[in-house]
Amino acid sequence: QKEVEQNSGPLSVPEGAIASLNCTYSDRVSQSFFWYRQYSGKSPELIMSIYSNGDKEDGRFTAQLNKASQYVSLLIRDSQPSDSATYLCAVATGFQKLVFGTGTRLLVSP
Amino acid sequence: GAGVSQSPSNKVTEKGKDVELRCDPISGHTALYWYRQSLGQGLEFLIYFQGNSAPDKSGLPSDRFSAERTGGSVSTLTIQRTQQEDSAVYLCASSFGGPGDEQFFGPGTRLTVL
Repeated sequence: QKEVEQNSGPLSVPEGAIASLNCTYSDRVSQSFFWYRQYSGKSPELIMSIYSNGDKEDGRFTAQLNKASQYVSLLIRDSQPSDSATYLCAVATGFQKLVFGTGTRLLVSP
Repeated sequence: GAGVSQSPSNKVTEKGKDVELRCDPISGHTALYWYRQSLGQGLEFLIYFQGNSAPDKSGLPSDRFSAERTGGSVSTLTIQRTQQEDSAVYLCASSFGGPGDEQFFGPGTRLTVL
């Protein structure tokens, strides 16, 4: 079982819709959870971090964490074509390295 | 510049040659990480430096890979006797070094081994 799992997609949504990206992780002691956006040919860009169960909102983005289910998600409201990218879920334990999923490719059509 | 910087942005080398990749972290960040991203693969952790502590080298794929960090700032990743499977984008990230602190990535170095 992979440590961090994501559906590779592509996830296709029309402009203005809500995109829902999901991630599960295997290490129960994981403490910190991150979503990165990566455009083709570019490096990952941090979008959100979440550490506690529940929702965390930042503009059009909402991260959701459920530690009991070992599940973290990212909702993008009012999706724009510029949101088309690969979204990487990353999990950390303490001070240590980030463990990344392989990413979900999101396509937002005008 | 406020972000993580890396050089060179692209490196083409011949199999068997040594290469050095450089990373300059965000000012004030004490933790520095190296990752690798290969085509079709996810981001793979290589090595982690935190202040003056011994680095966590658990992700280095072979003894051909080494890294150092001088003066708690700039880091150099060295790959000796490069192989074609070393071709990848090498990414550096830095953070303030606290548990779970956000990591910010540099633009990466694309290494191609012919």
